[in-house]
Amino acid sequence: QITLKESGPTLVKPTQTLTLTCTFSGFSLDTSAVGVGWIRQPPGKALEWLALIYWDDEKRYRPSLKSRLTITKDTSKNQVVLTMTNMDPVDTATYYCAHRPPIATAGNAFAMWGQGTMVTVSS
Amino acid sequence: QSALTQPPSASGSPGQSVTISCTGTSGDVGSYNYVSWYQQHPGKAPKLMIYEVSKRPSGVPDRFSGSKSGNTASLTVSGLQAEDEADYYCGIYAGTNNLWVFGGGTKLTVL
Repeated sequence: QITLKESGPTLVKPTQTLTLTCTFSGFSLDTSAVGVGWIRQPPGKALEWLALIYWDDEKRYRPSLKSRLTITKDTSKNQVVLTMTNMDPVDTATYYCAHRPPIATAGNAFAMWGQGTMVTVSS
Repeated sequence: QSALTQPPSASGSPGQSVTISCTGTSGDVGSYNYVSWYQQHPGKAPKLMIYEVSKRPSGVPDRFSGSKSGNTASLTVSGLQAEDEADYYCGIYAGTNNLWVFGGGTKLTVL
């Protein structure tokens, strides 16, 4: 059974750096073609993909946010960490991490999602 | 990296069928078959319902089906049930330039 859970601060101040951790179980980021992504959803709005890290440490970022995002993994801890610098109130959202299994399993889709963590940016 | 276009709302009565569209461009939906659909109930995480245009993950009822024509993908829910009332998002992996893009979401109401 695959599970993912996000953790991090619920409130950050403008200009601060946000650090979120995704702790997962039921799969390994050592497995070929596996990835873990981050997606956010502002209140009442649509999903927005942010970043993804692959088993081989290749990383992909949303082009418009690339300068502010860093994604890393700790395979021994089954964790993926996302940092976002220079936070702004418009970054207020629920942040989800999600499992992207090998393409043959779910065709580049996010097959399992964490419960999400709400982050508010306010002074 | 523009969002895919979905109608903001759709509705149908129990037992009926409803189709939700997802329009992209020749550079994303028109070129790639990595179209997926997600169901999201209020306050819950999204759930994968369809991947690769028309494939269903294990456990998803066959009332849910997907298709694609040109730059538009579609999700059809047949035999509507009350529990199908939710927000639905399309998504696509559009290659190393566009990466992952989602639609604006459609709120499905079961009348």
